[in-house]
Amino acid sequence: SYVLTQPPSVSVAPGQTARITCGGNNIGSKSVHWYQQKPGQAPVLVVYDDSDRPSGIPERFSGSNSGNTATLTISRVEAGDEADYYCQVWDSSSDHYVFGTGTKVTVL
Amino acid sequence: EVQLVESGGGLVQPGGSLRLSCAASGFTFSSYDMHWVRQATGKGLEWVSAIGTAGDTYYPGSVKGRFTISRENAKNSLYLQMNSLRAGDTAVYYCARGDSSGLGAFDIWGQGTMVTVSS
Repeated sequence: SYVLTQPPSVSVAPGQTARITCGGNNIGSKSVHWYQQKPGQAPVLVVYDDSDRPSGIPERFSGSNSGNTATLTISRVEAGDEADYYCQVWDSSSDHYVFGTGTKVTVL
Repeated sequence: EVQLVESGGGLVQPGGSLRLSCAASGFTFSSYDMHWVRQATGKGLEWVSAIGTAGDTYYPGSVKGRFTISRENAKNSLYLQMNSLRAGDTAVYYCARGDSSGLGAFDIWGQGTMVTVSS
């Protein structure tokens, strides 16, 4: 089965840039989506199809995808960005949907 | 307002059954793929099942043969029948809408319903 690997945690100071990676075999050939989940809340889609943002999501959230790594970038980090972030893809070979292991972003 | 509201969670004994429901509103339910995703306490997200607009269904190996996803478009409702439940099925279960472009994203989520499997 397809595996997506994320770093368990990322720490960043307010105003700085946070980068969260998502590793998978040839992930660059897939469409990657990213979710933000705050404690006690349901996940929220923040980036879809590698780099597009749903309406209402700040431009500070951006994404890229190439080779074996996809990246979610959060610019000008705010305290309210502190949350767990998950990458996700649809694996066409198995018709399964796969989530990454999740990354906890801490704002210092 | 686009909304998904889950119900039906609760405490069930190992080997037991439970049926979850998800009420959709604010969009044309019949036009979207729908999914169930679960999350054990303190753990990550796990996709549990999907149903397409034509009624085609998909499951990961962890629940295949035990869980059944279904939909009733006339009632704007999604269901998850869970049989032969195990302790490892204990989690918050979310209903989620598939994106309209077929990219495989989940663009709307419900608030979740808790399922606890314990004796």
